[in-house]
Amino acid sequence: VQLVESGGGLIQPGGSLTLSCTASGFSVNANSLTWVRQAPGKGLEWVSLINSGGSINNADSVKGRFTISKDTFKNTVYLQMNSLRAEDTALYYCARQIDYYDSGTYYSVFDVWGQGTMVSVSS
Amino acid sequence: DIQMTQSPSSLSASVGDRVTITCRASQSISRHLNWYQQKPGKAPQLLIYGASTLVSGVPSRFSGSGSGTDFTLAISSLQFEDFATYYCQQSYSTVRTFGQGTKVEI
Repeated sequence: VQLVESGGGLIQPGGSLTLSCTASGFSVNANSLTWVRQAPGKGLEWVSLINSGGSINNADSVKGRFTISKDTFKNTVYLQMNSLRAEDTALYYCARQIDYYDSGTYYSVFDVWGQGTMVSVSS
Repeated sequence: DIQMTQSPSSLSASVGDRVTITCRASQSISRHLNWYQQKPGKAPQLLIYGASTLVSGVPSRFSGSGSGTDFTLAISSLQFEDFATYYCQQSYSTVRTFGQGTKVEI
């Protein structure tokens, strides 16, 4: 079970970039996938999630600018990022969300993570 | 959105010390609280889910407790490999959020 991100790079403010996250060992169609970012020297920030049914949730900081999607044939999840700002500079991780069942309740966790792809927004 | 606040932001400890990290949610999240460990240059790793259940393979010196809005991660006897940054994360809301992290230093 593995996730591999790609597509990061240096982009000017206002520009667009699409990140890819390719899964192996499991199906993106049957799982929820999420993007989490980490600015240099800072903490983790949850960005976006797409569940197995295709429902999407986004952090307020990226609403209207970032779009998560998936291609089941390529077993890949994407993050389309538009109107990029300096504060979007970060290492972007892709992760799988699964549910653990414990004492009558399901708990959602991020159990498998990629190595990350770096996005730098600067002129 | 649910805000997660960790304390302290950093702490210094020695091998063998008992360490506790707290995490407070801005509203009740029942027990939908996870803890992750991140080492420099590495992706985070899940330690605990459901506030207190250890993931398979996580040493028993780690423990979690709490429910509602207040949670604690404890390391009973700190080992060298435990020096890392720890994050809490709520999965109660569909808008997931992390705490700001606690760096455990030597």
